[in-house]
Amino acid sequence: NAGVTQTPKFQVLKTGQSMTLQCAQDMNHNSMYWYRQDPGMGLRLIYYSASEGTTDKGEVPNGYNVSRLNKREFSLRLESAAPSQTSVYFCATQRREYEQYFGPGTRLTVT
Amino acid sequence: QKEVEQNSGPLSVPEGAIASLNCTYSDRGSQSFFWYRQYSGKSPELIMSIYSNGDKEDGRFTAQLNKASQYVSLLIRDSQPSDSATYLCAFYGNNRLAFGKGNQVVVIP
Repeated sequence: NAGVTQTPKFQVLKTGQSMTLQCAQDMNHNSMYWYRQDPGMGLRLIYYSASEGTTDKGEVPNGYNVSRLNKREFSLRLESAAPSQTSVYFCATQRREYEQYFGPGTRLTVT
Repeated sequence: QKEVEQNSGPLSVPEGAIASLNCTYSDRGSQSFFWYRQYSGKSPELIMSIYSNGDKEDGRFTAQLNKASQYVSLLIRDSQPSDSATYLCAFYGNNRLAFGKGNQVVVIP
């Protein structure tokens, strides 16, 4: 089992470009999450999906959109990238009793 | 008040000693608490979950929860160089995990 996978692993964008970060899980979990992690700021929740067909905003949703394509896949889209979105992005799934499991991350640089 | 607060500054411990990490949280209603370990350049990895007051042991790790005082701690016994990492405290509330900023632990051989 791969657990939680994320693509790409690294990405460099120019300001104003768009891209989609992909996340897939084979753990059969209902809930999926997108976080960003910045030095000194800790992990911050961008969006989450409690189940297929639902999405909700987290702490820092501005500049992002999400799609819960099916139970396995949850994508994060940056429509017009800004330098402030330079970060490491993690996808996570949640099983019973709120335990979350993280993917390997995507390191994004916006110049 | 921040939701989750962890000790500031890195913690250096000699190999074989006990590393002690503390975390306080603001949400009195929370019932679920977690410790994650994160190696440099890697993703957070769940190492302990605790849901009731008292101690929970798993190998060299012991988590302690005191809901009345709103703190949770992690002890790492017989610290090894492989324990050198950042440890994140988290609790579940309002449909999400709230994370602390983490504590770096450095185990000195």
